[in-house]
Amino acid sequence: EVQLVESGGGLVKPGGSLRLSCAASGFTFNSFGMNWVRQAPGKGLEWVSSINSGSDYIFYADSVKGRFTISRDNIRNSVYLQMNSLRAEDTAVYYCARGGSALPYYFDLWGQGTLVTVSS
Amino acid sequence: EIVLTQSPAILSLSPGERATLSCRASQSVSRYLVWYQQKPGQAPRLLIHDATNRATGIPARFSGSGSGTDFTLTISGVETEDFAVYYCQQRTSWPLTFGGGTKVDIK
Repeated sequence: EVQLVESGGGLVKPGGSLRLSCAASGFTFNSFGMNWVRQAPGKGLEWVSSINSGSDYIFYADSVKGRFTISRDNIRNSVYLQMNSLRAEDTAVYYCARGGSALPYYFDLWGQGTLVTVSS
Repeated sequence: EIVLTQSPAILSLSPGERATLSCRASQSVSRYLVWYQQKPGQAPRLLIHDATNRATGIPARFSGSGSGTDFTLTISGVETEDFAVYYCQQRTSWPLTFGGGTKVDIK
């Protein structure tokens, strides 16, 4: 089955760190760019970061630049989001999404999401 | 940054009616405009990419049109499973941006 499964979300204090993981299955992972998109409670969608298939091209939203790092492991078919210096405004469901095109991407496959709550 | 403005914010329709959703870009995105559907508690689902191309498995009642700065998603006859929030996204330039969404609900 073609799917993406996120993990690693949870409750963290402001200033803390968290690492999200996304495991891919059912498709040739190393042929696709991967992305993180988040959605604050009751709000719309916000693109966070993208990485191409070979990790040559990496992009971040200004709101997370310098604090978040995207990476991937094409052997483990996984993409990661290391989140440091977390703020209350980073509270959201974080979705892993597959890039369905050449850069810049649209997102043709989404995971179910993992909730990150930043609160003291 | 390209700003996408969706209208209306809420569209109240009866099943079988035609839905017309608008997405306007602050500058030209050529044809690189994408539509997603999101139901409560679920991840978004790709509907239309590059303005007019239906994604795999998307019913023919969904269609997209437009280019430049003005785009439309049309549902030719809304079915009960279509009541959801719809987002547009541009993939012309970084940062990738989404519109604020249009909620299609039952009249």
